Amino acid sequence: AQKITQTQPGMFVQEKEAVTLDCTYDTSDQSYGLFWYKQPSSGEMIFLIYQGSYDEQNATEGRYSLNFQKARKSANLVISASQLGDSAMYFCAMSSGGYQKVTFGTGTKLQVIP
Amino acid sequence: NAGVTQTPKFRVLKTGQSMTLLCAQDMNHEYMYWYRQDPGMGLRLIHYSVGEGTTAKGEVPDGYNVSRLKKQNFLLGLESAAPSQTSVYFCASRAGGYNQPQHFGDGTRLSIL
Repeated sequence: AQKITQTQPGMFVQEKEAVTLDCTYDTSDQSYGLFWYKQPSSGEMIFLIYQGSYDEQNATEGRYSLNFQKARKSANLVISASQLGDSAMYFCAMSSGGYQKVTFGTGTKLQVIP
Repeated sequence: NAGVTQTPKFRVLKTGQSMTLLCAQDMNHEYMYWYRQDPGMGLRLIHYSVGEGTTAKGEVPDGYNVSRLKKQNFLLGLESAAPSQTSVYFCASRAGGYNQPQHFGDGTRLSIL
């Protein structure tokens, strides 16, 4: 069975500082994908970044980067230069298995302080 | 671009009533998913589909049924609603491949009294 664990229910970060949101995963599959999504207070789900299990380099998308440590089964999201608009829920998710099931973690609520 | 459209956006039911939530996507995606979101529990997978005419159970399938008679539509049914099914329901679709992100609808807020 696949599982995503996000151990930080809530976090605070000062504006313009960097922040790391933790995500660990468990799967017996060799091929899988890891995703991060953002959910603002308005409720929509926004795709941020993707990392494949065979990717050797960490993924980056603008101010978002994914710190992928395969041996530790972790896929932490790093947000650089935090902005007030980054305040939101952040979810880590994994696709795996032949039927492409996608499982989510419980999320981390990030609040950016001016 | 419509993307993923969920109908209705809000609904209040009485215990024991039945209803169907509709999800429609116009991106020709193979895979479709239904999740429920509850405070502190993230998104939990109810059912999903890997193609027209196929469905599979997720983490919390009890009390729900689904159908995918057409590739663009994925229906979620509650046969006899219970207060424990009060939640926000999200539908998502994605193309095939591990690297394809999900595209989400705006959600359906369902309250069962």
